[in-house]
Amino acid sequence: KAGVTQTPRYLIKTRGQQVTLSCSPISGHRSVSWYQQTPGQGLQFLFEYFSETQRNKGNFPGRFSGRQFSNSRSEMNVSTLELGDSALYLCASSLNVLGSNQPQHFGDGTRLSIL
Amino acid sequence: GESVGLHLPTLSVQEGDNSIINCAYSNSASDYFIWYKQESGKGPQFIIDIRSNMDKRQGQRVTVLLNKTVKHLSLQIAATQPGDSAVYFCAETGGYQKVTFGIGTKLQVIP
Repeated sequence: KAGVTQTPRYLIKTRGQQVTLSCSPISGHRSVSWYQQTPGQGLQFLFEYFSETQRNKGNFPGRFSGRQFSNSRSEMNVSTLELGDSALYLCASSLNVLGSNQPQHFGDGTRLSIL
Repeated sequence: GESVGLHLPTLSVQEGDNSIINCAYSNSASDYFIWYKQESGKGPQFIIDIRSNMDKRQGQRVTVLLNKTVKHLSLQIAATQPGDSAVYFCAETGGYQKVTFGIGTKLQVIP
C-alpha cells in the first residue's frame, strides 16, 4: 500500500507570494492533518480535515488554510508568505478522526523556503 | 531577531546496547500515546502505540511503557543498531481531538 505522498518536496518562494501544497493520503484513510515543523517550535498542529470538513484548527493565522476533496486528497495554502513561514510542512493521514485511538502516518513533507 | 532552536536532548548509545528514551506528557486526559521515529530528510515514522488501559506493549525490538500516575512514557529499543539513529518523538492524544508532540530526543548510535 502506498504511503502518504506530498508534493512538491521542495519549494522556494519570496515574501508576499502564496503557495499551495498537496497531500495524497494512504488509500482508505479519511482524516488528513497538516503540521508545521521548525527547529524553533518543533511539530505544530495546523488543522485536520475529515470528509471534506475542517474538524480542528491549531493556533495559526488565517493566512494558513486548507481543503479536502471527495477522494480525501488535501491541499494547504499559505498566502502573503513571511520569512517565518520557512519550515517543513508535514501531512499525516489516519483511518478515522483524531482522538479515535488510531495512529497517524506521515509523508516526507514539503520543505518551504522563503527568500 | 533570530529564533533559537529547540535544544533536543541527545542520547548516545553503543551499538548492541539497549536504549531507553523518556517522555513526560502533559495532559492527564490523554488516553492514546504513540512513538515516532524521524530520520533526517524524512517524515515521522510510526513505531508503536499504547492505549491508557495498558502499561506495557511490545513490538519488534521495541517496548513502550506507560506510567499514568506520573504521566511518563518510555521507549525501549533492544540491541540498538546504527539504523536506529534518528530523532524520536512521543505523541499524546485523546477525545479532545488534537495530537500533541514532545520536542523529541536525538538518538546517536556509536558503532
